[in-house]
Amino acid sequence: KAGVTQTPRYLIKTRGQQVTLSCSPISGHRSVSWYQQTPGQGLQFLFEYFSETQRNKGNFPGRFSGRQFSNSRSEMNVSTLELGDSALYLCASSLADTDSGNTIYFGEGSWLTVV
Amino acid sequence: AQSVTQLGSHVSVSEGALVLLRCNYSSSVPPYLFWYVQYPNQGLQLLLKYTTGATLVKGINGFEAEFKKSETSFHLTKPSAHMSDAAEYFCAVTRPGTALIFGKGTTLSVSS
Repeated sequence: KAGVTQTPRYLIKTRGQQVTLSCSPISGHRSVSWYQQTPGQGLQFLFEYFSETQRNKGNFPGRFSGRQFSNSRSEMNVSTLELGDSALYLCASSLADTDSGNTIYFGEGSWLTVV
Repeated sequence: AQSVTQLGSHVSVSEGALVLLRCNYSSSVPPYLFWYVQYPNQGLQLLLKYTTGATLVKGINGFEAEFKKSETSFHLTKPSAHMSDAAEYFCAVTRPGTALIFGKGTTLSVSS
């Protein structure tokens, strides 16, 4: 059974550009969450989607957005990139949602460097 | 609001020694608690989780954790450290309808 797949794994962007990251959850999983990981701030929650609807949102500016498609695949977009957006972006999926304490599985992440 | 505190950003042990990584949480309702491990340049792998039931939870690679409600703790232990255990460990908490909230992480070093 394939795990959570994130693409691209590594990318370099210039300040002011935008970036789109993609996540394919484990087959059958309907909940997809995104996290930003940096050395200074640790793991911070960005947003969670369940059945194409955003259910939870973290404390990030509006430059960070996401969406989920009918096949549960998800994308996140960061516009007007800043140097501070350089981070590992992790996608996670679970069967339903955290209401039942389902295990949340993580992908290997997308490393974004902004120069 | 929920929060997680991991005491000690860096823990060093000798191979064969006891591993103890500390985690305290704050939650106004019964929490679900998780421990994840992250190896360099990789994503997060679930070690174990507590939702309900038995408070002593056994996970992969010989790790276990005990949920202590009175102490609001969920410390991770392993009786005998192995070199391959060197990694970063994250404690996380969630409750129905909310996102998974992580602690700052603890880096475990194992020396021979």
